[in-house]
Amino acid sequence: KNQVEQSPQSLIILEGKNCTLQCNYTVSPFSNLRWYKQDTGRGPVSLTIMTFSENTKSNGRYTATLDADTKQSSLHITASQLSDSASYICVVSARANAGNNRKLIWGLGTSLAVNP
Amino acid sequence: DTAVSQTPKYLVTQMGNDKSIKCEQNLGHDTMYWYKQDSKKFLKIMFSYNNKELIINETVPNRFSPKSPDKAHLNLHINSLELGDSAVYFCASSLGRNTEAFFGQGTRLTVV
Repeated sequence: KNQVEQSPQSLIILEGKNCTLQCNYTVSPFSNLRWYKQDTGRGPVSLTIMTFSENTKSNGRYTATLDADTKQSSLHITASQLSDSASYICVVSARANAGNNRKLIWGLGTSLAVNP
Repeated sequence: DTAVSQTPKYLVTQMGNDKSIKCEQNLGHDTMYWYKQDSKKFLKIMFSYNNKELIINETVPNRFSPKSPDKAHLNLHINSLELGDSAVYFCASSLGRNTEAFFGQGTRLTVV
């Protein structure tokens, strides 16, 4: 069964600190993995996309890693800011069939609160 | 300049009513989607259209009917609303079927 599990469910950190969010998946056949940031009351915004051959990708203070062997991904946030308070959602894309369609499996997200 | 815009942002209605949510994108994308995010924050795809053609239709009650008059618009019509339909509905679009999706602000539907 295709599943995406994220941990922790919620996290509170102080401004300026680093944190790491985890995503474990059992999705096959794997196509790619995205991390989205969703601010309260807004739609998700893509942070990074990782394909099978990529191990690390950075986007400013966000660094995503992917271990395709263990089917794990992490999102590391450096020097957190108050504006980083949001839900971070891991989404894994699987090829649905031999055609061009794919299936997106969404995690439940990690709710991050950055306090001053 | 909003890339993906949905209206209305909030919708409160009584059980049994019929309502529509509109979505428009000005990104020139070929693919549009409707997602439902329930109280547990789980995002679930409902429909996907590519160039006005339905390509994904997940298990959704047939009270939900998407309509795409052109590739820049994908509206969602819901008949006989039920309490369980209360959720935030997100519209999204992408350049192609396998590219990054851009989301609208969401429509918070409350059925009372």
